[in-house]
Amino acid sequence: NAGVTQTPKFQVLKTGQSMTLQCAQDMNHEYMSWYRQDPGMGLRLIHYSVGAGITDQGEVPNGYNVSRSTTEDFPLRLLSAAPSQTSVYFCASSPWQGQKYGYTFGSGTRLTVV
Amino acid sequence: KQEVTQIPAALSVPEGENLVLNCSFTDSAIYNLQWFRQDPGKGLTSLLLIQSSQREQTSGRLNASLDKSSGRSTLYIAASQPGDSATYLCAVSLMEYGNKLVFGAGTILRVKS
Repeated sequence: NAGVTQTPKFQVLKTGQSMTLQCAQDMNHEYMSWYRQDPGMGLRLIHYSVGAGITDQGEVPNGYNVSRSTTEDFPLRLLSAAPSQTSVYFCASSPWQGQKYGYTFGSGTRLTVV
Repeated sequence: KQEVTQIPAALSVPEGENLVLNCSFTDSAIYNLQWFRQDPGKGLTSLLLIQSSQREQTSGRLNASLDKSSGRSTLYIAASQPGDSATYLCAVSLMEYGNKLVFGAGTILRVKS
Protein backbone atom coordinates (compact mmCIF):
# COMPACT_ATOMS: atom_id res chain seq x y z
CA ASN A 1 0.00 0.00 0.00
CA ALA A 2 1.96 3.02 -1.27
CA GLY A 3 -0.49 5.73 -0.14
CA VAL A 4 -0.01 9.03 -2.00
CA THR A 5 2.95 9.12 -4.40
CA GLN A 6 4.31 12.36 -5.80
CA THR A 7 6.88 12.75 -8.55
CA PRO A 8 9.34 14.31 -9.00
CA LYS A 9 10.70 15.09 -5.53
CA PHE A 10 12.79 18.01 -6.78
CA GLN A 11 12.58 20.13 -9.92
CA VAL A 12 14.25 23.26 -11.24
CA LEU A 13 12.50 25.15 -14.03
CA LYS A 14 13.33 28.22 -16.02
CA THR A 15 10.81 31.04 -16.14
CA GLY A 16 8.24 30.36 -18.83
CA GLN A 17 8.70 26.60 -18.93
CA SER A 18 5.77 24.29 -18.32
CA MET A 19 5.67 21.04 -16.41
CA THR A 20 3.37 18.56 -14.73
CA LEU A 21 3.63 17.44 -11.12
CA GLN A 22 2.34 13.91 -10.77
CA CYS A 23 0.20 12.59 -7.93
CA ALA A 24 -1.19 9.08 -7.59
CA GLN A 25 -3.01 7.32 -4.77
CA ASP A 26 -3.86 3.66 -4.41
CA MET A 27 -6.46 3.92 -1.63
CA ASN A 28 -9.50 4.49 -3.89
CA HIS A 29 -10.04 7.91 -2.28
CA GLU A 30 -12.64 10.19 -3.82
CA TYR A 31 -11.18 13.51 -2.69
CA MET A 32 -7.81 14.75 -3.89
CA SER A 33 -6.17 18.14 -3.41
CA TRP A 34 -3.07 20.13 -4.22
CA TYR A 35 -1.51 22.50 -1.69
CA ARG A 36 1.52 24.72 -1.81
CA GLN A 37 3.60 25.52 1.26
CA ASP A 38 5.52 28.76 1.51
CA PRO A 39 7.45 30.24 4.46
CA GLY A 40 5.19 32.54 6.45
CA MET A 41 2.13 31.61 4.36
CA GLY A 42 1.46 28.09 5.54
CA LEU A 43 -0.31 25.56 3.33
CA ARG A 44 -2.74 26.95 0.80
CA LEU A 45 -5.18 25.05 -1.41
CA ILE A 46 -4.55 25.32 -5.16
CA HIS A 47 -7.11 22.97 -6.73
CA TYR A 48 -9.19 20.06 -5.56
CA SER A 49 -11.30 17.22 -6.93
CA VAL A 50 -14.26 15.37 -5.44
CA GLY A 51 -14.11 12.53 -7.95
CA ALA A 52 -13.07 11.53 -11.45
CA GLY A 53 -14.04 14.21 -13.93
CA ILE A 54 -14.78 16.84 -11.26
CA THR A 55 -12.32 19.57 -10.30
CA ASP A 56 -12.60 23.00 -8.74
CA GLN A 57 -10.43 25.94 -7.75
CA GLY A 58 -9.01 26.50 -4.33
CA GLU A 59 -7.52 29.58 -2.74
CA VAL A 60 -4.58 30.17 -5.12
CA PRO A 61 -5.42 28.61 -8.53
CA ASN A 62 -3.87 31.13 -10.90
CA GLY A 63 -1.13 29.68 -13.10
CA TYR A 64 -2.13 26.08 -12.46
CA ASN A 65 -4.37 23.56 -14.22
CA VAL A 66 -5.62 20.18 -13.05
CA SER A 67 -7.59 17.28 -14.46
CA ARG A 68 -8.94 14.07 -12.94
CA SER A 69 -9.49 11.41 -15.57
CA THR A 70 -9.18 8.52 -13.09
CA THR A 71 -9.77 8.08 -9.37
CA GLU A 72 -6.08 7.34 -8.83
CA ASP A 73 -4.35 10.26 -10.58
CA PHE A 74 -4.51 14.01 -10.07
CA PRO A 75 -1.74 15.83 -11.97
CA LEU A 76 -0.98 19.53 -11.47
CA ARG A 77 0.17 21.47 -14.51
CA LEU A 78 2.19 24.67 -14.39
CA LEU A 79 1.38 26.47 -17.61
CA SER A 80 4.20 29.04 -17.72
CA ALA A 81 6.40 28.87 -14.64
CA ALA A 82 7.13 32.07 -12.72
CA PRO A 83 9.54 32.66 -9.80
CA SER A 84 6.48 33.23 -7.58
CA GLN A 85 5.66 29.54 -8.07
CA THR A 86 8.83 28.48 -6.27
CA SER A 87 7.38 26.43 -3.44
CA VAL A 88 6.87 22.99 -1.98
CA TYR A 89 3.83 21.27 -3.45
CA PHE A 90 1.83 18.64 -1.61
CA CYS A 91 -0.84 16.33 -2.93
CA ALA A 92 -3.38 14.86 -0.51
CA SER A 93 -6.29 12.45 -0.66
CA SER A 94 -9.22 11.53 1.55
CA PRO A 95 -12.16 9.14 1.36
CA TRP A 96 -15.64 10.52 0.94
CA GLN A 97 -17.48 10.98 4.23
CA GLY A 98 -14.70 13.19 5.53
CA GLN A 99 -15.84 13.35 9.13
CA LYS A 100 -14.45 9.94 9.98
CA TYR A 101 -11.41 10.01 7.80
CA GLY A 102 -8.66 12.53 7.44
CA TYR A 103 -6.32 13.39 4.64
CA THR A 104 -3.20 11.46 3.66
CA PHE A 105 -0.39 13.56 2.22
CA GLY A 106 2.35 12.77 -0.25
CA SER A 107 5.98 13.54 0.50
CA GLY A 108 6.00 16.69 -1.60
CA THR A 109 7.69 18.18 -4.66
CA ARG A 110 10.20 20.97 -4.09
CA LEU A 111 10.04 23.29 -7.11
CA THR A 112 12.44 26.12 -7.87
CA VAL A 113 11.75 28.51 -10.74
CA VAL A 114 14.77 30.56 -11.85
CA LYS B 1 -13.83 32.75 5.90
CA GLN B 2 -12.35 30.09 8.15
CA GLU B 3 -9.12 31.11 9.85
CA VAL B 4 -6.92 28.84 11.93
CA THR B 5 -4.42 30.19 14.45
CA GLN B 6 -1.76 28.25 16.31
CA ILE B 7 -0.08 29.42 19.50
CA PRO B 8 2.77 29.51 20.28
CA ALA B 9 4.61 29.90 16.99
CA ALA B 10 7.68 28.26 18.52
CA LEU B 11 8.42 26.39 21.71
CA SER B 12 11.63 25.10 23.25
CA VAL B 13 11.43 22.74 26.23
CA PRO B 14 13.77 20.40 28.08
CA GLU B 15 13.34 16.68 27.59
CA GLY B 16 10.72 15.10 29.81
CA GLU B 17 8.41 18.07 30.03
CA ASN B 18 4.70 17.83 29.33
CA LEU B 19 3.54 20.46 26.86
CA VAL B 20 0.43 21.85 25.21
CA LEU B 21 0.04 23.22 21.72
CA ASN B 22 -2.97 25.37 20.97
CA CYS B 23 -5.13 25.73 17.87
CA SER B 24 -8.13 28.00 17.39
CA PHE B 25 -10.55 28.35 14.47
CA THR B 26 -13.18 30.94 13.67
CA ASP B 27 -16.04 28.89 12.18
CA SER B 28 -17.45 25.87 14.03
CA ALA B 29 -18.91 24.33 10.83
CA ILE B 30 -16.21 21.69 10.51
CA TYR B 31 -16.24 17.96 9.79
CA ASN B 32 -13.15 17.23 11.82
CA LEU B 33 -9.82 18.56 13.02
CA GLN B 34 -6.52 16.92 12.23
CA TRP B 35 -3.11 17.35 13.86
CA PHE B 36 -0.07 16.74 11.65
CA ARG B 37 3.62 16.54 12.26
CA GLN B 38 6.14 17.83 9.71
CA ASP B 39 9.88 17.19 9.95
CA PRO B 40 12.23 19.60 8.13
CA GLY B 41 12.13 19.04 4.39
CA LYS B 42 9.56 16.27 4.73
CA GLY B 43 5.87 15.71 4.16
CA LEU B 44 2.98 15.79 6.61
CA THR B 45 2.32 12.86 8.90
CA SER B 46 -1.14 12.62 10.44
CA LEU B 47 -1.03 12.28 14.22
CA LEU B 48 -4.62 12.47 15.37
CA LEU B 49 -8.05 13.16 13.90
CA ILE B 50 -10.96 14.34 16.01
CA GLN B 51 -14.42 14.16 14.47
CA SER B 52 -16.65 17.15 15.11
CA SER B 53 -18.87 15.01 17.35
CA GLN B 54 -15.93 13.91 19.52
CA ARG B 55 -14.19 15.66 22.41
CA GLU B 56 -10.77 14.02 22.34
CA GLN B 57 -8.51 11.40 20.81
CA THR B 58 -5.43 9.71 22.21
CA SER B 59 -2.47 7.97 20.62
CA GLY B 60 0.41 6.95 22.84
CA ARG B 61 1.86 10.07 24.49
CA LEU B 62 -0.39 12.34 22.43
CA ASN B 63 -3.83 13.57 23.41
CA ALA B 64 -5.87 15.99 21.34
CA SER B 65 -9.02 17.71 22.52
CA LEU B 66 -11.69 19.61 20.62
CA ASP B 67 -14.16 22.21 21.86
CA LYS B 68 -16.09 23.04 18.72
CA SER B 69 -18.35 25.60 20.35
CA SER B 70 -15.42 27.74 21.43
CA GLY B 71 -13.37 27.00 18.31
CA ARG B 72 -10.41 25.50 20.16
CA SER B 73 -8.24 22.40 20.10
CA THR B 74 -5.19 21.44 22.12
CA LEU B 75 -2.50 18.86 21.47
CA TYR B 76 -0.98 17.55 24.68
CA ILE B 77 2.40 15.80 24.47
CA ALA B 78 3.44 13.90 27.56
CA ALA B 79 7.03 13.28 28.61
CA SER B 80 8.52 15.01 25.58
CA GLN B 81 11.55 13.53 23.82
CA PRO B 82 14.13 15.02 21.43
CA GLY B 83 12.53 12.93 18.67
CA ASP B 84 9.35 14.98 19.11
CA SER B 85 11.16 18.01 17.67
CA ALA B 86 9.22 19.02 14.55
CA THR B 87 6.60 21.44 13.30
CA TYR B 88 3.06 20.63 14.42
CA LEU B 89 0.22 21.70 12.17
CA CYS B 90 -3.47 21.92 12.97
CA ALA B 91 -6.03 21.72 10.14
CA VAL B 92 -9.82 21.84 10.06
CA SER B 93 -11.91 20.09 7.43
CA LEU B 94 -14.61 22.42 6.16
CA MET B 95 -18.22 21.34 6.16
CA GLU B 96 -18.75 22.32 2.56
CA TYR B 97 -18.37 20.95 -0.95
CA GLY B 98 -14.93 19.47 -1.37
CA ASN B 99 -14.23 18.82 2.30
CA LYS B 100 -11.34 21.24 2.12
CA LEU B 101 -8.61 21.64 4.73
CA VAL B 102 -7.62 24.97 6.23
CA PHE B 103 -4.28 24.97 8.02
CA GLY B 104 -2.75 26.95 10.82
CA ALA B 105 0.78 28.29 10.43
CA GLY B 106 2.17 25.67 12.79
CA THR B 107 4.12 25.47 16.04
CA ILE B 108 7.85 24.72 15.79
CA LEU B 109 8.77 22.48 18.71
CA ARG B 110 12.30 21.86 19.92
CA VAL B 111 12.90 19.38 22.72
CA LYS B 112 16.37 19.73 24.21
CA SER B 113 18.22 16.72 25.58
